[in-house]
Amino acid sequence: NAGVTQTPKFQVLKTGQSMTLQCAQDMNHNSMYWYRQDPGMGLRLIYYSASEGTTDKGEVPNGYNVSRLNKREFSLRLESAAPSQTSVYFCASSDPAGSRETQYFGPGTRLLVL
Amino acid sequence: AQKITQTQPGMFVQEKEAVTLDCTYDTSDPSYGLFWYKQPSSGEMIFLIYQGSYDQQNATEGRYSLNFQKARKSANLVISASQLGDSAMYFCAMREFNYQLIWGAGTKLIIKP
Repeated sequence: NAGVTQTPKFQVLKTGQSMTLQCAQDMNHNSMYWYRQDPGMGLRLIYYSASEGTTDKGEVPNGYNVSRLNKREFSLRLESAAPSQTSVYFCASSDPAGSRETQYFGPGTRLLVL
Repeated sequence: AQKITQTQPGMFVQEKEAVTLDCTYDTSDPSYGLFWYKQPSSGEMIFLIYQGSYDQQNATEGRYSLNFQKARKSANLVISASQLGDSAMYFCAMREFNYQLIWGAGTKLIIKP
């Protein structure tokens, strides 16, 4: 039981390049989330998916797109990377069937945009 | 206005002492949940404890307890008998009706031997 996995762990991009961050969970959770964490700050929600086939914008969606490929997988795409997107990206999942809706996180992807 | 406020950017605590990390929140939703997460220097986010707005008792999980004062809108994390491994960033977060989490800026806790 791996929980939430993310690939890659590290990535360096040049301004204007594109890339996709991959996330998968094996906990049979319905909801999945993408966050970014900038130095000295808490997490900010980029996009979330309440269930397979649905996605919604969070607090900071500009410059990103997402795909909920199936129940397990939720990817985040940067179409044209900018230095302002240098951050640590976390994927999380949660199960709405429980009253807690506790989110469980992947290990994060450190992205540097030059 | 900020919905989650953690007023202590950093704290130093002697090993084996108890420590209280402050968190205040603001919401008009009668149904909400409060979470604490730990982020060690390795970077992962680790769930510690949860308190629901309708829970009658304060939540406890091992050495962690949550001092929930609903009228004051405060949800402080208490760590008893602190250990060196407790050194980390600690984040308070609140879930409202749409299941999204709103995060505080965090408190950096350093345990001194």
